[in-house]
Amino acid sequence: EVRLVQSGGGLVQPGGSLRLSCAASGFTFRDYNMNWIRQAPGKGLEWISFITSGITTTQYADSVKGRFTVSRDNLKKSLFLQMNNLRDEDTAIYYCATHDFDYWGQGTPVIVS
Amino acid sequence: EIVMTQSPATLSLSPGERATLSCRASQSVTTYLAWYQQKLGQPPRLLIYDASKRATGIPARFSGSGSGTDFTLTVSSLEPEDFAVYYCQQRYSWPLTFGGGTRVEIK
Repeated sequence: EVRLVQSGGGLVQPGGSLRLSCAASGFTFRDYNMNWIRQAPGKGLEWISFITSGITTTQYADSVKGRFTVSRDNLKKSLFLQMNNLRDEDTAIYYCATHDFDYWGQGTPVIVS
Repeated sequence: EIVMTQSPATLSLSPGERATLSCRASQSVTTYLAWYQQKLGQPPRLLIYDASKRATGIPARFSGSGSGTDFTLTVSSLEPEDFAVYYCQQRYSWPLTFGGGTRVEIK
């Protein structure tokens, strides 16, 4: 069974930092590109970041570029999102998902206040 | 950035009725278009990819069509569990973008 289990969300003050994690199981993680997506309260979905399986390429939405960094550890089968200089508008549920968005984590809340 | 526009914002229908949801891209995305269903408190679920291909385990009552800039998701006969919010997404170019969603509610 494919599972993506997220952790690391929470309450942080503006200007602060958080690191989100996404632990994968049930598939060959090192072969899959991965994404981060977020959803502000009562709003729609916003794709924010992508990383290739071999960590050769990353992509970011303009809204987070320069503040957020995606990374992964293929040996530990984990995906990460380092979020710095957080703003009120970064408040959202954050999801990790596989490259084709066919598997999603359960989501983790980030509240910037 | 490609802007995705969904219509209508809300669709009020009864179980057993046909639902037709629209998605328009601000420029051609060829067939790099996906549809998702999201229920309250849950992550989105992939329904359709490449405009018309059903994802694994998705019932046949869900179908997608279109290419270029205009796309449609059709639910042939709504089941009680189909009342949810639906999003389209273009996968043609970075940044990947989603539409604002269509809520399908019980009439």
